Amino acid sequence: NAGVTQTPKFQVLKTGQSMTLQCAQDMNHEYMSWYRQDPGMGLRLIHYSVGAGITDQGEVPNGYNVSRSTTEDFPLRLLSAAPSQTSVYFCASSWQGANTGELFFGEGSRLTVL
Amino acid sequence: QQQVKQSPQSLIVQKGGISIINCAYENTAFDYFPWYQQFPGKGPALLIAIRPDVSEKKEGRFTISFNKSAKQFSLHIMDSQPGDSATYFCAASGAGGTSYGKLTFGQGTILTVHP
Repeated sequence: NAGVTQTPKFQVLKTGQSMTLQCAQDMNHEYMSWYRQDPGMGLRLIHYSVGAGITDQGEVPNGYNVSRSTTEDFPLRLLSAAPSQTSVYFCASSWQGANTGELFFGEGSRLTVL
Repeated sequence: QQQVKQSPQSLIVQKGGISIINCAYENTAFDYFPWYQQFPGKGPALLIAIRPDVSEKKEGRFTISFNKSAKQFSLHIMDSQPGDSATYFCAASGAGGTSYGKLTFGQGTILTVHP
């Protein structure tokens, strides 16, 4: 049972480049979300999804797009990377039988934008 | 605006000592207060959690104390061990289906336990 899998683990981009961070979960969880972690700021919610075909914005959505075509996958797209998007990104999943704040996190994707 | 404030930013304790991390929240609609533990290079993992109708919850060496009137909660780690060295995040989430997957995190505390 792999849980939540994120790829790539590390990525370096130049300003203006685009890329997609992949996230997949094999637990059949309805809820998936993306957070970014920055020093001294904890984790902040970027986008979340309550099921296939349904997404919504979190606290810091600007510069990011998401889609959820299947229950398993929730990719995060950076259309034009900026240095301010240098961060560690975490994907998480949850299910309705759990408590609302009980999340299962992936191991993260460290992104550097030059 | 940070709705959950956590202190201290870093904490150093000796093996066998007590580690205490404090958090304060603003939104009275929060209904679930988890603590997450994160080791270097890993994602956060749920450690222990509490609901506001309970003043204390204990799981092994880890205890959450909750003060609803003061809108504060804290994590106590008894008999701290070097293996407890990690970053700890407090968090809060609301009730109901619209709150799933949506956590508000504190800033994090880097705990170092010296042998």
